[in-house]
Amino acid sequence: AQSVTQPDIHITVSEGASLELRCNYSYGATPYLFWYVQSPGQGLQLLLKYFSGDTLVQGIKGFEAEFKRSQSSFNLRKPSVHWSDAAEYFCAVAGGQAGTALIFGKGTTLSVSS
Amino acid sequence: SQTIHQWPATLVQPVGSPLSLECTVEGTSNPNLYWYRQAAGRGLQLLFYSVGIGQISSEVPQNLSASRPQDRQFILSSKKLLLSDSGFYLCAWSPGLAGRYEQFFGPGTRLTVL
Repeated sequence: AQSVTQPDIHITVSEGASLELRCNYSYGATPYLFWYVQSPGQGLQLLLKYFSGDTLVQGIKGFEAEFKRSQSSFNLRKPSVHWSDAAEYFCAVAGGQAGTALIFGKGTTLSVSS
Repeated sequence: SQTIHQWPATLVQPVGSPLSLECTVEGTSNPNLYWYRQAAGRGLQLLFYSVGIGQISSEVPQNLSASRPQDRQFILSSKKLLLSDSGFYLCAWSPGLAGRYEQFFGPGTRLTVL
């Protein structure tokens, strides 16, 4: 069965420092992968997506993610974190028993210290 | 451009009372529609999805039901709420096209059952 693992529940990064959030997936075929961000009390916003082609994908708000098939990973990165990036981040893969429904990881909460 | 609306934004209901949450999408046609519930620390749980009017698939048998009376309207209901129904309910849509699996989320409804 398809699954997504986000190993880090909570990460704290200093403002201006680089960020990497980890995501590992389990999927038999070529995955469709996504990263979402959620501010407290809000819905989820799509940051970026990977379907095929270039394994380094650019998203909104200066985020990027790299697909590594050999490691079954799709880690999210940002070179310089801003205080406004503090939020919860979810990795997701398309597939599963619900057809086109997404399977989400449990999320990583990012705190930004000044 | 497409937009997705949910209402109400917040709701406090007594145990045993009925529930109706509404979701509407604008600017697209024939979308796939989804209801998720989010509990703290547990990620997103897919409750229902729909690929067309009157077509509802349930992922988790429980106290809730869903209906899709119109192409861009998705309703989540309950006849009698339980304490365990408390949570943050998110509606989402996806284009419903092959290879287009990204989902776009509404602002959510915070439900508290007392």
